Amino acid sequence: QKEVEQNSGPLSVPEGAIASLNCTYSDRVSQSFFWYRQYSGKSPELIMSIYSNGDKEDGRFTAQLNKASQYVSLLIRDSQPSDSATYLCAVNWRGSQGNLIFGKGTKLSVKP
Amino acid sequence: SAVISQKPSRDICQRGTSLTIQCQVDSQVTMMFWYRQQPGQSLTLIATANQGSEATYESGFVIDKFPISRPNLTFSTLTVSNMSPEDSSIYLCSESTGGIDGYTFGSGTRLTVV
Repeated sequence: QKEVEQNSGPLSVPEGAIASLNCTYSDRVSQSFFWYRQYSGKSPELIMSIYSNGDKEDGRFTAQLNKASQYVSLLIRDSQPSDSATYLCAVNWRGSQGNLIFGKGTKLSVKP
Repeated sequence: SAVISQKPSRDICQRGTSLTIQCQVDSQVTMMFWYRQQPGQSLTLIATANQGSEATYESGFVIDKFPISRPNLTFSTLTVSNMSPEDSSIYLCSESTGGIDGYTFGSGTRLTVV
């Protein structure tokens, strides 16, 4: 059973702080990893993708991947109230021709 | 990545009836995926739809309940059949032309069965 685990939260951080979101996965052959942001009542929106070990930065967002430890994380610097949403970690399972397996999501609340 | 138009955006349906959800993609895509998101939960894959072949269903989902059509490379439909209140969920379609750069989702269909 392939699984993606996330802390459901809620994670509360003050405005301007760094929010750290973590995700672990069970399938060692997974190749690519995604972070989606989902506002209440909306569909998921891609924030970051990563497939190589190490860090990938895009603006205020940094994704970190460690395949040996089977975890992927998302850091949000200078958190804003508009970042308040549920963040979904998703893993591509190569064996299923490309569909994504999602974690249950971490709800982030950024307090002004 | 492609842009997906999904409709209806929401509907309230009587139990025992069926609803067909449509997704139109602005470019040709090989694979499309249908997900369900139950209240407060994450996304669960219902099936993968390839053009020219029957959809592949995940464990717990059957074709009689969730028939899927994929008549061409830009369009797919999901029907939720013989609905019960337990089918109340958000249904989302997705495509994967973004590959490692990401998968795009439609705007979702919020279904309430009464």
